[in-house]
Amino acid sequence: AQKVTQAQTEISVVEKEDVTLDCVYETRDTTYYLFWYKQPPSGELVFLIRRNSFDEQNEISGRYSWNFQKSTSSFNFTITASQVVDSAVYFCALSEAERYTGTASKLTFGTGTRLQVTL
Amino acid sequence: ETGVTQSPTHLIKTRGQQVTLRCSSQSGHNTVSWYQQALGQGPQFIFQYYREEENGRGNFPPRFSGLQFPNYSSELNVNALELDDSALYLCASSPDYLSYNEQFFGPGTRLTVL
Repeated sequence: AQKVTQAQTEISVVEKEDVTLDCVYETRDTTYYLFWYKQPPSGELVFLIRRNSFDEQNEISGRYSWNFQKSTSSFNFTITASQVVDSAVYFCALSEAERYTGTASKLTFGTGTRLQVTL
Repeated sequence: ETGVTQSPTHLIKTRGQQVTLRCSSQSGHNTVSWYQQALGQGPQFIFQYYREEENGRGNFPPRFSGLQFPNYSSELNVNALELDDSALYLCASSPDYLSYNEQFFGPGTRLTVL
């Protein structure tokens, strides 16, 4: 069975601070995808990044960066110079690699980390 | 390109009633997945519909059922509502070609059961 753990329930930072959100996963699949989603108060899940299990290269996109370490089953997310607009709940998710039928695989989500950025 | 839409936005029901939630998938997407998100929790997979048939189901009882229509829109039906069914219900659409499991979520329907 797949499992995603986000041990940090809530994090509060002051604007311009860097913040790292932790994610640890469990799966028996040898190929899989990892995701980060952002959920603002409006409720809609906003896709941030997808990483497949073959690609351990870390990625930076603007103020966001991701650190994928297969050896420790972790996929951590860092926001540099946080802003008030970053305040939201962030979810890490895991899925098996795409089926050969092409239909999407179910996502297994963690319980989320609420990030509060204040002035 | 129209995104995923859901209706209604909010809904209040009482225990024992039945409810129907609706989802219109993104243009060109023929797969719809439904998720339940209880307060303070991550979304949990309910089921998926592909070409009008159920194509995978999570750990939810049979009183959770669904439909998908020829235009790929979908309904989630919940019978005999219980207090624990209070949650945000999210649908996600995706294409059937290899898309690296990219799923597009709607804004959700918030259901309150009293």
